[in-house]
Amino acid sequence: DIQLTQSPSFLSASVGDRVTITCRASQGISSYLAWYQQKPGKAPKLLIYAASTLQSGVPSRFSGSGSGTEFTLTISSLQPEDFATYYCQQLNSYLPLTFGGGTKVEIK
Amino acid sequence: QVQLVQSGAEVKKPGASVKVSCKASGYTFTSYGISWVRQAPGQGLEWMGWISAYNGNTNYAQKLQGRVTMTTDTSTSTAYMELRSLRSDDTAVYYCARGIAAAGLYYMDVWGKGTTVTVSS
Repeated sequence: DIQLTQSPSFLSASVGDRVTITCRASQGISSYLAWYQQKPGKAPKLLIYAASTLQSGVPSRFSGSGSGTEFTLTISSLQPEDFATYYCQQLNSYLPLTFGGGTKVEIK
Repeated sequence: QVQLVQSGAEVKKPGASVKVSCKASGYTFTSYGISWVRQAPGQGLEWMGWISAYNGNTNYAQKLQGRVTMTTDTSTSTAYMELRSLRSDDTAVYYCARGIAAAGLYYMDVWGKGTTVTVSS
């Protein structure tokens, strides 16, 4: 199975900060990657799929990039509602759709 | 609007089975798939598998092969996930999510609110 390693697992940031989260795949997955946001007690929410395609309704401060084995999620200016846990997921339908371990973004 | 409504919380004894339902509305059920994802208390997300609502094809996580069965009832636009031989480490919130498949890529764009399954003697 493909392993996804997210870093950091925890980060502390302030409102207005630029935040970058990395997801590394154990083998190349082309652009088959999604990012989800999850708040406590809530279901995950799709932010980005196909590595860089913004899901409808998601603010443009979120962006994704990368291909192969290294991917990033960037929040250009962190807002109060962005404090949450973020997960990457590989999307190749012929393989297990594994998730990364998550990155918790907290208020500094 | 597109919505997935899941069945209520369950408490089961070790060795029992649980069947969680996920009723879809607001879209053509057979044009999408349904994935199931679970989250143990304080832990990350674990993909369990998916089912095509179009033809019933399934793809299960290897870890759960033999214990999990995913089905759909197209007459009621409802998906089901049955997990057998429950253990304490199956205690989790179970989510269904609408799956979109395109060009070998599969992602989940709408999620249910989750069903808590507790396994305890």
